[in-house]
Amino acid sequence: GAVVSQHPSRVICKSGTSVKIECRSLDFQATTMFWYRQFPKQSLMLMATSNEGSKATYEQGVEKDKFLINHASLTLSTLTVTSAHPEDSSFYICSGEAGGPPDTQYFGPGTRLTVL
Amino acid sequence: GQNIDQPTEMTATEGAIVQINCTYQTSGFNGLFWYQQHAGEAPTFLSYNVLDGLEEKGRFSSFLSRSKGYSYLLLKELQMKDSASYLCAVRVRTAGNKLTFGGGTRVLVKP
Repeated sequence: GAVVSQHPSRVICKSGTSVKIECRSLDFQATTMFWYRQFPKQSLMLMATSNEGSKATYEQGVEKDKFLINHASLTLSTLTVTSAHPEDSSFYICSGEAGGPPDTQYFGPGTRLTVL
Repeated sequence: GQNIDQPTEMTATEGAIVQINCTYQTSGFNGLFWYQQHAGEAPTFLSYNVLDGLEEKGRFSSFLSRSKGYSYLLLKELQMKDSASYLCAVRVRTAGNKLTFGGGTRVLVKP
């Protein structure tokens, strides 16, 4: 299957700081990438859909000014958590669509964010 | 929105078979995916169904009935490494082809 990488895999930061997470499709071009958040023992919740060259589409309840998404190229999308707070601590996972059909989403290894 | 239901937990014995059911209610159905997720890791793609019937891939099979809004994932010859969460996800055409995930089924394989 297609390979997606994420960096960093784990980050610990102080409350009030910003954290940037990178998502790269290594062997395919992803016009569309998705950002999810997963709390312990819960399923994946879609935060936003990132389209190359255009603004991201955010799900209801997700603050676009807090979670900044940039999809600068067909292989790179970034999520910046601004002014992070302890309640933002979570597992953040990105995925890229490898092209269809069936336009399967392939997931990155995830980033564990801990805000102190 | 979409309602996707799957059991929370299942336990099975090594070498046995386990069937994980998933029911969904949605309009604009455009495919159902099964993913495996080990604790602390990202989901990995297992199977995809868009037409009714059974898709077989080695020890894993997935079935879909669109009229019933029902799918199952069948795991045969269970191995200890199959202990993981299994996520059912539905893609909806009217929602920009986004995936909506069920809560996941945690499968514990015992010796």
